[in-house]
Amino acid sequence: DIQMTQSPSFLSASVGDRVTLSCKASQNINKYLAWYQQKLGEAPKLLIYNANSLQTGIPSRFSGSGSGTDFTLTISSLQPEDVATYFCLQHNSWPGTFGSGTKLEIK
Amino acid sequence: EVQLQQSGPELRRPGSSVKLSCKASGYSITDYLMHWVKHRPEHGLEWIGWIDPEDGETKYAQKFQSKATLTADTSSNTAYMQLSSLTSEDTATYFCARSRAYYSGDFDYWGQGVMVTVSS
Repeated sequence: DIQMTQSPSFLSASVGDRVTLSCKASQNINKYLAWYQQKLGEAPKLLIYNANSLQTGIPSRFSGSGSGTDFTLTISSLQPEDVATYFCLQHNSWPGTFGSGTKLEIK
Repeated sequence: EVQLQQSGPELRRPGSSVKLSCKASGYSITDYLMHWVKHRPEHGLEWIGWIDPEDGETKYAQKFQSKATLTADTSSNTAYMQLSSLTSEDTATYFCARSRAYYSGDFDYWGQGVMVTVSS
């Protein structure tokens, strides 16, 4: 199975900061990567699909980039409501595999 | 509005089985694959498999081949997952999730998750 390595595992940033989260695949996954946000007690929410496509209804401060093995989720200006755990999912190869998550908090 | 409503928490004895439900609303389950995912905090998220409710086709990750059975009832717009021969390793939160596009491997809507506890 493809291993997905997320970093950092924990991040504390200030409101308005530009935040960058990383997800690295153990082998080429082309563009088949999705990013999710999960708030405490809620179902995960799709933010980005196919590495850089913004899901309908998601604020434009969220963006994704990368292909192959290295991917990034960027929040251009951190908002209080962005406190959550963020995880990536690769679905290039069966079975799909998930990153271990980045817990994002407000400083 | 698309929603996936999962059944309530379950407590089971080792060796028993459990059947979890995922009722979809806001769309027809025959239009998308339904995936199931396992979450244990110390092990992260694991993809169990998917079902195509249109024709009942299923695909399982190898480690769940003999553990999980996915079914769907199109008349009630509900997907099910049965877990058999339960052990403590099956204690986890289980999510259903809709494929983002008909046959895509990513998900756009998730259920709220259901906690299964296996204990004697």
